[in-house]
Amino acid sequence: DGGITQSPKYLFRKEGQNVTLSCEQNLNHDAMYWYRQDPGQGLRLIYYSQIVNDFQKGDIAEGYSVSREKKESFPLTVTSAQKNPTAFYLCASRADRDNQPQHFGDGTRLSIL
Amino acid sequence: QKEVEQNSGPLSVPEGAIASLNCTYSDRGSQSFFWYRQYSGKSPELIMFIYSNGDKEDGRFTAQLNKASQYVSLLIRDSQPSDSATYLCAVRGRGSTLGRLYFGRGTQLTVWP
Repeated sequence: DGGITQSPKYLFRKEGQNVTLSCEQNLNHDAMYWYRQDPGQGLRLIYYSQIVNDFQKGDIAEGYSVSREKKESFPLTVTSAQKNPTAFYLCASRADRDNQPQHFGDGTRLSIL
Repeated sequence: QKEVEQNSGPLSVPEGAIASLNCTYSDRGSQSFFWYRQYSGKSPELIMFIYSNGDKEDGRFTAQLNKASQYVSLLIRDSQPSDSATYLCAVRGRGSTLGRLYFGRGTQLTVWP
């Protein structure tokens, strides 16, 4: 089935540890996105990429890093510099044609141990 | 920073009623608008998108866009308990931010039997 796969579904981070969230899509979409959602809040953009080997910071990029080495994959690393990482992380992708909507994966819930 | 504002709710309507969800945006030149539904603990799913002034209908859902007044709304006719969710309004960026969406905080809707 075509879709966006995020893994793991739940992740726990120890203090001082970097963790990487996976996002893979087989929709042949050009653009991919990472959002963070806190309880009762909307979606805040962390990073996005519209083409392989290129990405842009969103509104809350500090403490996060990404790579886009393949069209299908856009992993997000939550570094130890991110002091409040507990949140619901959502990956999205879209075809890079006019007015195409973003579609979301099922999300990864990250908590601090 | 482009702003997208939604009534946070919660909005509570009886089964069978019309639910009206509203969204205003700050960038007068915005062209593309999206409504997503998010069930508790789940990822957002696309409900509708609209680009032209006026109404767009899809089953029980109607999106309304008024660019002069900078608002977009979502009407849900014959509301069902299964419509109980948070509804997110999103506006597409322009120019250098064409590839991204700006989200409101969402309106929580409860449909009671």
